[in-house]
Amino acid sequence: GENVEQHPSTLSVQEGDSAVIKCTYSDSASNYFPWYKQELGKRPQLIIDIRSNVGEKKDQRIAVTLNKTAKHFSLHITETQPEDSAVYFCAAEDDYKLSFGAGTTVTVRA
Amino acid sequence: EPEVTQTPSHQVTQMGQEVILRCVPISNHLYFYWYRQILGQKVEFLVSFYNNEISEKSEIFDDQFSVERPDGSNFTLKIRSTKLEDSAMYFCASRTRGRGEKLFFGSGTQLSVL
Repeated sequence: GENVEQHPSTLSVQEGDSAVIKCTYSDSASNYFPWYKQELGKRPQLIIDIRSNVGEKKDQRIAVTLNKTAKHFSLHITETQPEDSAVYFCAAEDDYKLSFGAGTTVTVRA
Repeated sequence: EPEVTQTPSHQVTQMGQEVILRCVPISNHLYFYWYRQILGQKVEFLVSFYNNEISEKSEIFDDQFSVERPDGSNFTLKIRSTKLEDSAMYFCASRTRGRGEKLFFGSGTQLSVL
């Protein structure tokens, strides 16, 4: 099955700086890679996703890049704000299910 | 935006008891899932369900677990004889297609086994 590795496990950034989270996956057949944001005690919420026919996707301050050859994808958050503080999970689609990374706790310091 | 709903939000049970967690997926969705998350850990796949049968299950989903879609709207997860290690947040999720599409999560049921 799919194995998704995520780094770093924690990330502390100054408000206004950028945050980058990286993930690798093992199954070369995977072709859908979503990112979820989870606030404490809440459900995971999709923030951006990318499919394997695309190398980069942006949505305002959030961008995701995908390198299928190297089997890694990254989340970039620019101009971080306090409300960006949360746990972020990457995932890769394996058959008909998502396999998640271990999560990155992002703390934005005011 | 439509939502997946789950009940109850919290469930406390004694070890060895049976629990049923309930979910109402989004109405036009065809693929249903249960995931669980132990406190501070990642979201783990339990089971997927399509066309009234299990399409895939993980090694966590042993004989103590079962799923059912008893009518056109509900999707349930039953744990027959709960163990302490079953304590976790259980998320139901659904989507219209099985691949390449946004997965909508419910708000979760926090299960505590004492």
